[in-house]
Amino acid sequence: NAGVMQNPRHLVRRRGQEARLRCSPMKGHSHVYWYRQLPEEGLKFMVYLQKENIIDESGMPKERFSAEFPKEGPSILRIQQVVRGDSAAYFCASSPKTYTGELFFGEGSRLTVL
Amino acid sequence: AQKVTQAQTEISVVEKEDVTLDCVYETRDTTYYLFWYKQPPSGELVFLIRRNSFDEQNEISGRYSWNFQKSTSSFNFTITASQVVDSAVYFCALSEVPIQGAQKLVFGQGTRLTINP
Repeated sequence: NAGVMQNPRHLVRRRGQEARLRCSPMKGHSHVYWYRQLPEEGLKFMVYLQKENIIDESGMPKERFSAEFPKEGPSILRIQQVVRGDSAAYFCASSPKTYTGELFFGEGSRLTVL
Repeated sequence: AQKVTQAQTEISVVEKEDVTLDCVYETRDTTYYLFWYKQPPSGELVFLIRRNSFDEQNEISGRYSWNFQKSTSSFNFTITASQVVDSAVYFCALSEVPIQGAQKLVFGQGTRLTINP
């Protein structure tokens, strides 16, 4: 009974490198959300995807950040040319196609930019 | 715009005391959902409760209880007879009724609760 799986749990990158965070939704879930939690802050919505479609990316920074949810495989949050301000916990959540009212969150991926 | 305010940044109590975490929200929607999540030191987010705006009945689950008051836009969370394992950061969140399945939660800043033995 696997929940939302995120990897890596911890990632360290130097400034200018790329970070890729992966999220496998719960079985049967076709909707994926990414949230970012900056240190000592609450979570903030970044992007909402369905299979092969970005539905709402209103919370994504305009540059360097991208997300995808391919037909096969996990959802990927990609951060290019990372900066120190990208250091945060990135949470993925999934929900089934039919709205049930609950978002199931993964354990988060903690990115540290040196 | 939607907003959630958790005015208490940190709370520290002694074990077995009751503690209430405050949550005040703002929304223009007439239908919306309110949530509480727990984030223990291990970092994951644990769902505690969801309440829709039409249901103002208070809810009790074991030592946890929630008081939803639409008139004051508050959704407070009380832990009775607190235990050390309750130590965590607690987040209150709000979402509009999803359109096309999109459920975007707006989170408060969180309240760090420490239960001392």
